[in-house]
Amino acid sequence: AQSVTQPDIHITVSEGASLELRCNYSYGATPYLFWYVQSPGQGLQLLLKYFSGDTLVQGIKGFEAEFKRSQSSFNLRKPSVHWSDAAEYFCAAPSSGTASKLTFGTGTRLQVTL
Amino acid sequence: DVKVTQSSRYLVKRTGEKVFLECVQDMDHENMFWYRQDPGLGLRLIYFSYDVKMKEKGDIPEGYSVSREKKERFSLILESASTNQTSMYLCASTPGQGYEQFFGPGTRLTVL
Repeated sequence: AQSVTQPDIHITVSEGASLELRCNYSYGATPYLFWYVQSPGQGLQLLLKYFSGDTLVQGIKGFEAEFKRSQSSFNLRKPSVHWSDAAEYFCAAPSSGTASKLTFGTGTRLQVTL
Repeated sequence: DVKVTQSSRYLVKRTGEKVFLECVQDMDHENMFWYRQDPGLGLRLIYFSYDVKMKEKGDIPEGYSVSREKKERFSLILESASTNQTSMYLCASTPGQGYEQFFGPGTRLTVL
């Protein structure tokens, strides 16, 4: 079965500092991978997705993620964090070969200090 | 843009009440999903539907049922609400062969 692990429950960074959120997955074939962001009290918004091709994926709001097959990782990065990036971030991957179901990680809550 | 709407942002109900949560999407998506979100547990799939009148149980279906009479609308039903069903409920949809899910704003349900 597919599993997605986000080892960091909570991360605090200073505004302007760089950010890396970790995501590891278990999947035999090359997976589709997603990062979503959830602002307080809101639904989830897609940040970026990896389907195939270039392993470095650019997303919205200045985020990027790198797919590393050897490490089964899909870490999210941003070179300079803004206070408005404070939110919860979820990594996701397909949970089966059909029905478009996704398995989500448990999320990483990002706090940004000024 | 895909739009997924949910009938209420906040809802307060009493134990034992029957509760309906409604979700509507406007992009003719085949698949629709209901999740609940609790701190530290992430998103857990309750039910999903891959076509009108078709449904499958997710990971935590106990205490819930669903209805999909029209393609654009997917309802989550709590037959007899209990306090342990206090949670954030999220609806999502996706096209037939796609995995990218589009989410509604969520309904925060409190059962007293």
